Amino acid sequence: DSGVTQTPKHLITATGQRVTLRCSPRSGDLSVYWYQQSLDQGLQFLIQYYNGEERAKGNILERFSAQQFPDLHSELNLSSLELGDSALYFCASSEGVGGQPQHFGDGTRLSIL
Amino acid sequence: GQQLNQSPQSMFIQEGEDVSMNCTSSSIFNTWLWYKQDPGEGPVLLIALYKAGELTSNGRLTAQFGITRKDSFLNISASIPSDVGIYFCAGLIRSNDYKLSFGAGTTVTVRA
Repeated sequence: DSGVTQTPKHLITATGQRVTLRCSPRSGDLSVYWYQQSLDQGLQFLIQYYNGEERAKGNILERFSAQQFPDLHSELNLSSLELGDSALYFCASSEGVGGQPQHFGDGTRLSIL
Repeated sequence: GQQLNQSPQSMFIQEGEDVSMNCTSSSIFNTWLWYKQDPGEGPVLLIALYKAGELTSNGRLTAQFGITRKDSFLNISASIPSDVGIYFCAGLIRSNDYKLSFGAGTTVTVRA
């Protein structure tokens, strides 16, 4: 058990819709990272937050946004969904501010119909 | 992200065999990481390497940070059935603001 909790595990929705993915980091970890995993693109870094502040940004689309709350949980918002957004979305956490995620959640599988 | 070339793409193992995989790049990395992902789960960090030439073990796993800082190797000794899964290399580079880049993965399956 990594200690990182992601909800929901599965999400099925339609094109054009908006969804929110939730992540609770491992206790004591201040950094939260979001990754997208798809068959054709592999694991892609989206964004990192450290103690509530945005720390680094990767290949995150403008239709996507994220935030980290005072209790350190994080949410990834995906809007105007397209078929190509279907993927596994992972949250990871680490204690420090460096870009090395130590603990991954089990992911949210997003399917766009 | 930075381009990481991971090979082989897939491999078959027989119990007891030693296997190895590697990751190369045209860029110089500051940190190399190796993860394993089982079906339906997130990646698990196996080994982290921070210095050129560093050799680090975690049980039957051994990884090395290449001298040129452009490559890394992972070896699994005396493989067992639970070694099956997807192994990913990943690298951090200061010039890319320490954003982690992942290789495409090596899928390890058991030879029938």
